[in-house]
Amino acid sequence: DAGVIQSPRHEVTEMGQEVTLRCKPISGHNSLFWYRQTMMRGLELLIYFNNNVPIDDSGMPEDRFSAKMPNASFSTLKIQPSEPRDSAVYFCASSDTGVPTEAFFGQGTRLTVV
Amino acid sequence: DAKTTQPPSMDCAEGRAANLPCNHSTISGNEYVYWYRQIHSQGPQYIIHGLKNNETNEMASLIITEDRKSSTLILPHATLRDTAVYYCIVGHKAAGNKLTFGGGTRVLVKP
Repeated sequence: DAGVIQSPRHEVTEMGQEVTLRCKPISGHNSLFWYRQTMMRGLELLIYFNNNVPIDDSGMPEDRFSAKMPNASFSTLKIQPSEPRDSAVYFCASSDTGVPTEAFFGQGTRLTVV
Repeated sequence: DAKTTQPPSMDCAEGRAANLPCNHSTISGNEYVYWYRQIHSQGPQYIIHGLKNNETNEMASLIITEDRKSSTLILPHATLRDTAVYYCIVGHKAAGNKLTFGGGTRVLVKP
């Protein structure tokens, strides 16, 4: 397996534009997590899905952020409209919740909103 | 989820053992202790986890105190490539292995 795949790796967009980040989890994993990392706030859990269902979205900062998982092999995180303070590295991770085990992280998407 | 406390930074000499402490005094009986590390600009990487017993794998050893209120991650022979931020996390298996990251310990391995 190629691991967790995120796209794009880098995104530069103008304030007010819609941004969509994509994630392909490891095949067979039934949990998926979206994290955001900034220097000021560190790694923050935004939302996590179990069996494609959002379980906890309490970390989603505001209504401008939305996440979907239409099937077991794909998830998106959308920001509309984007703002400069959304600039961060966004990580996606997946794990198998059958046993306590490791979560595998993607390489991240570095988002810059200008 | 229980919170963890780690020193913000520490240095280690290359080739020596690195001992990274973590306090988790509010850990509950069914919470696991996980350790991850993040090398600059990369996604976090799993190292090891444990419940009650000490654990060892090819990367590190995890020592958990008998009361489970603290643990120590041991990197037996630190290399320059072990320079990273190390995170100690406690989490429920039932919570989907949800991981809540704190500030971690920034470890600098020096030649």
